[in-house]
Amino acid sequence: NAGVTQTPKFQVLKTGQSMTLQCAQDMNHNSMYWYRQDPGMGLRLIYYSASEGTTDKGEVPNGYNVSRLNKREFSLRLESAAPSQTSVYFCAIGAGTGVSQPQHFGDGTRLSIL
Amino acid sequence: SQQGEEDPQALSIQEGENATMNCSYKTSINNLQWYRQNSGRGLVHLILIRSNEREKHSGRLRVTLDTSKKSSSLLITASRAADTASYFCATEGGSEKLVFGKGTKLTVNP
Repeated sequence: NAGVTQTPKFQVLKTGQSMTLQCAQDMNHNSMYWYRQDPGMGLRLIYYSASEGTTDKGEVPNGYNVSRLNKREFSLRLESAAPSQTSVYFCAIGAGTGVSQPQHFGDGTRLSIL
Repeated sequence: SQQGEEDPQALSIQEGENATMNCSYKTSINNLQWYRQNSGRGLVHLILIRSNEREKHSGRLRVTLDTSKKSSSLLITASRAADTASYFCATEGGSEKLVFGKGTKLTVNP
């Protein structure tokens, strides 16, 4: 989707491996979010960053770390991947926080952990 | 923590028919949003409706909000095959977060 770029698009890992999912935006929005989407579970918030230099936990933060590198970039790291982290990961951005502004989503990273 | 829940979970209609999806939520809200997700893609924002609004239109989309019943509905009129997608409502999960429902999967048959 225009404005939010996620890399990689697909990744297969073995249990215990680490990796970083990258998200970059070109819309100059303050807020950035990481979600995971599992079948039958909808989207669940992992971490978010309301502004450059701040990060906060969402609903399912265990097993993940994040870095808001600058205003454009927000990365999600899996230090020791587990099969339960097999999911589709979405990065989103917003001009403001919460429900007052629409969020714009990337097209996701499909991650499989064997 | 699930705030909004869509109903039905799946809906199959013929092209040209109207599609109605519902969203119920548990706690008071200031705003509610609807999103669409095409297969293999990210979510796309459709409409934001504020708590002091009862109805909002955007093209073939009509959203209603009934705060007394804690519910919202999304109506797609004269549906097209291209409307085939999953539709999600999103409500407040705290001051800075959105909480998404599990979605309604709409199939529009040509």
